[in-house]
Amino acid sequence: EIVLTQSPATLSLSPGERVTLSCGASQGVSSNYLAWYQQKPGLAPRLLMYEASIRATGIPDRFSGSGSGTDFTLTITRLEPEDFAVYYCQQYGSSPLTFGGGTKVEIK
Amino acid sequence: QVQQQQWGAGLLKPSETLSLTCAVFDGSFSGYYWSWFRQSPGKGLEWIGEIDHSGFTNYNPSLMSRVTISVDTSKTQFSLKVTSVTAADTAIYYCARGDLASPVDYWGQGTLVTVSS
Repeated sequence: EIVLTQSPATLSLSPGERVTLSCGASQGVSSNYLAWYQQKPGLAPRLLMYEASIRATGIPDRFSGSGSGTDFTLTITRLEPEDFAVYYCQQYGSSPLTFGGGTKVEIK
Repeated sequence: QVQQQQWGAGLLKPSETLSLTCAVFDGSFSGYYWSWFRQSPGKGLEWIGEIDHSGFTNYNPSLMSRVTISVDTSKTQFSLKVTSVTAADTAIYYCARGDLASPVDYWGQGTLVTVSS
């Protein structure tokens, strides 16, 4: 099973700031099948990025993803008020599918 | 836009069987794998298993001894059963479209299942 470790657990930031979230895998992610999700309280996760760097439909271009193998990042260039949420990475290249523990981006 | 609606019992006693069903309301059912996930404060997001329209399944080894996922293509529905539940199975359960080699692009609304005596 691939274990995904996200850091940091919590980030306290202000709107307009740039943020970089990290996701490390215990072994290489097959085909870079790494996705990022955003989750707000009471809602299901929302797909942001897939195959590490491809934005999902309707996701604004302030979100970008990068990385390969075992190290991946999600960057938000300028935080908007609606971006404060929990972010999860997920690998879907090997069974079982696994998720990271999440990074909470909160308002400073 | 894929529409999914899920339902099932939300309160169970230990040793009972959890049963949830998810209906898919669009024409994409046969072309995809469909999965169940759960989310709890203690274990985070966890994949339970997946099924395709022909009934081929793939389960998370951590749960597979207690889990059955089935499909009814005539109703474009798929279902989850988890036997012998304990408090550790208390979670929000989501049906979703996504599988090995595909990200999860559509999620159901989630069902809170609580296991308590």
